[in-house]
Amino acid sequence: ETGVTQSPTHLIKTRGQQVTLRCSSQSGHNTVSWYQQALGQGPQFIFQYYREEENGRGNFPPRFSGLQFPNYSSELNVNALELDDSALYLCASSLGWGYTFGSGTRLTVV
Amino acid sequence: GQNIDQPTEMTATEGAIVQINCTYQTSGFNGLFWYQQHAGEAPTFLSYNVLDGLEEKGRFSSFLSRSKGYSYLLLKELQMKDSASYLCAVRGAAGNKLTFGGGTRVLVKP
Repeated sequence: ETGVTQSPTHLIKTRGQQVTLRCSSQSGHNTVSWYQQALGQGPQFIFQYYREEENGRGNFPPRFSGLQFPNYSSELNVNALELDDSALYLCASSLGWGYTFGSGTRLTVV
Repeated sequence: GQNIDQPTEMTATEGAIVQINCTYQTSGFNGLFWYQQHAGEAPTFLSYNVLDGLEEKGRFSSFLSRSKGYSYLLLKELQMKDSASYLCAVRGAAGNKLTFGGGTRVLVKP
């Protein structure tokens, strides 16, 4: 098992720019979900992909979009970055009932 | 929608016991998770309850009462390394997302 890996680990972007975050799922896990965690708060659900199709979305605007690839890796794209998008972005992969989280990408928008 | 409440912060002494309560109001329920998260790191799985009762795993135990919308995480024989945030999360009926509480910061003092 290789676990869930996310890249990059840290990123600084300017307001208005676009960003792509990447996630490699744990081997065999066909479901991936993304969460945003602001400092001192619990993670907030962004969306989930199952076998390359989005099958759930939280209360985030359309400028947050994603993809899942045939190997079950995933991307989170955020357009028109705002200062409030600064957060830790967590990816979690699952097969069945459990979830395995990656260490996250710390995004800072200045 | 879902609402998850847990205390913001707790302090305990090394070797003692601490109980972290979590109450939830949900439109559907498909399991409750507890995660440990050290600052800047991935949440790591501690326990999963889907039926009422107590689940014990070493120094950690978790309890669920679905009729009361209530769970607790019990940490025994506290160690300094247990200083972390503890996240309560509920999976909805659709099974496609976790809703997290804000997390409880536990500080273990010598």
